[in-house]
This record gives sequence, structure tokens and C-alpha cells, in this order.
Amino acid sequence: ILNVEQSPQSLHVQEGDSTNFTCSFPSSNFYALHWYRWETAKSPEALFVMTLNGDEKKKGRISATLNTKEGYSYLYIKGSQPEDSATYLCAFLNSGGSNYKLTFGKGTLLTVNP
Amino acid sequence: GAVVSQHPSRVICKSGTSVKIECRSLDFQATTMFWYRQFPKQSLMLMATSNEGSKATYEQGVEKDKFLINHASLTLSTLTVTSAHPEDSSFYICSARGPDWNTQYFGPGTRLTVL
Repeated sequence: ILNVEQSPQSLHVQEGDSTNFTCSFPSSNFYALHWYRWETAKSPEALFVMTLNGDEKKKGRISATLNTKEGYSYLYIKGSQPEDSATYLCAFLNSGGSNYKLTFGKGTLLTVNP
Repeated sequence: GAVVSQHPSRVICKSGTSVKIECRSLDFQATTMFWYRQFPKQSLMLMATSNEGSKATYEQGVEKDKFLINHASLTLSTLTVTSAHPEDSSFYICSARGPDWNTQYFGPGTRLTVL
């Protein structure tokens, strides 16, 4: 059973604060690490697909880093806004088998207070 | 971007009835779709992988006769929960592998409540 852990489980920040959270995953059989943003009553939205050790990706105020050797990824949000409030999911894609299945963490629930 | 719809968004049914959930890729063809289930405070758990024109591949512990999956076209996969019982009450969500193959695009999910 693959273990994908996210921390913290939930987070409250003030508008304008910068924040970050962590995803840890197995360091073997790595293929890709996905980050999703999931607002209530909406579809999870793909943020990043990271494949290379040391990779850093950015989308507006959100960025992510990847360390495949030690099995962790960080997601950073700069200058948080209330519309950033959502659950952020990471998912590990392993390279074993033919279906390339995603294994999800439980998510980090971010609440940005105005 | 790639859009996946899912219907119904919410369903309440009596114990013993069957419920069908549809998952559609609206602007792309999806040869592979995935069905997940999420219990409260838990992560999304893969139930099965649905491949167009062939039988679904079920994860360990998921009963294929209870959760019937049909992927008859490149844009539609259905999940039927047969003879539903209260313990089947959960959040079911589908995804479709996108044109870039490496990304999965999700539907908004279906909340199933079995009385």
C-alpha cells in the first residue's frame, strides 16, 4: 500500500499571508507528483504535474517544488487571497504496472480570512 | 481546458435499489477513465480503471458485481451501484485521462445516500 501524507491537515491564514504545505510520498518507483486544487462543490482542478527531481513550477502566486530522492513536495502560496480557500490535494503516480494509478493524500484544507 | 461532467451530483435512494452515475468528457476523448470513492475525512480511493471497449480493472477489495462499470464510448463511462446498502453511502468521483495522458481531469462528484 502506497502512503501519501499531507500536512498540515488544515490551515487558517490571513489575507496577504504567504503559506506552504507539504506532501510526502514513496521515493521508489516514482513517475509523477500531481497537485490539485479542490473548491467545495466543484471539480478538482489540476495545478501541477511534476516529474523531475529538483523541479519547480509556478502558476501565478502558487508554486511547487519536488524532491524525488527524499520523497516530498512543497506547495507555496504567496500573498494568500480569500479565493485561494480550497482543499489542496497531492497525488503520487507510480511507475509500476500498466495503469499508472494515482494515490492521493487526504489534502490540506486552506482557509484564507479576509 | 478539458472538462468532465458527472451526473447526478446528489442522489438519495432506498436500500436495495440500483443507482447509475454518468461521467462524460465534454471536449476530449478519454480512452481511460477512473472511478474513486471518498469517505469522510479520508483520501480519494481508486475503485476501478475503466478502459473504452474493454472490461474495467477493479482495485483489491472492490466488488465488480456490485459496482458495474461500462465504458461504451470514448466520452462516457457509467458506474452502477447495484442493490445499494447504507454502507455504500459515500462520495463518488470520476476522472478521465486527458489528451496529454499524464493529467487526470475530474468530474465534480456524486454524493450518494442510501437510506
